[in-house]
Amino acid sequence: AQSVSQHNHHVILSEAASLELGCNYSYGGTVNLFWYVQYPGQHLQLLLKYFSGDPLVKGIKGFEAEFIKSKFSFNLRKPSVQWSDTAEYFCAVNAGGRRALTFGSGTRLQVQP
Amino acid sequence: DTEVTQTPKHLVMGMTNKKSLKCEQHMGHRAMYWYKQKAKKPPELMFVYSYEKLSINESVPSRFSPECPNSSLLNLHLHALQPEDSALYLCASSQDSFNQPQHFGDGTRLSIL
Repeated sequence: AQSVSQHNHHVILSEAASLELGCNYSYGGTVNLFWYVQYPGQHLQLLLKYFSGDPLVKGIKGFEAEFIKSKFSFNLRKPSVQWSDTAEYFCAVNAGGRRALTFGSGTRLQVQP
Repeated sequence: DTEVTQTPKHLVMGMTNKKSLKCEQHMGHRAMYWYKQKAKKPPELMFVYSYEKLSINESVPSRFSPECPNSSLLNLHLHALQPEDSALYLCASSQDSFNQPQHFGDGTRLSIL
């Protein structure tokens, strides 16, 4: 069965700091990878996705992620965070032809002004 | 605003009540999903419908009964729930293909007395 690990449970940064959130998955075959964000009181929104091709994918709001197949990783990055980036971030994967998403445990990002 | 609409937004019910959660999308998606999200936890898959047919049931107790009357609607019928069923119930939809992202609704926050 596929699984997703997010090792950073709670990250606190100051505005303008750089962000990197880790995501590792366990599945040896073809995977689709996603990062979702959940702002306080709002629905899950797709930040970016990787299906194939260029392993560096760019998403909305200045976020990007790099797929490193050899490390089974899909880390999320942003060069300079803003207070409005305060939210919960979830890495998710579907694999093996299974449409359903498996989510990581989430990382709560708190950006201090 | 999300393109997946869930009603009601909040629901409080007793353990002997029968109620239904509703989900609607008009994006032409043929796959629809129910997830359960407990506080400070990631969403967990409950059911997947593909072309109005149930394709995945993640061993959900029978007190939860899904229904997909047409390609735009997804219901979750609730009966004899337990206090531990209190959670945020999320509906999502996607095009019926392995590598398509899911679009989430705002959820229904359910409290069982």
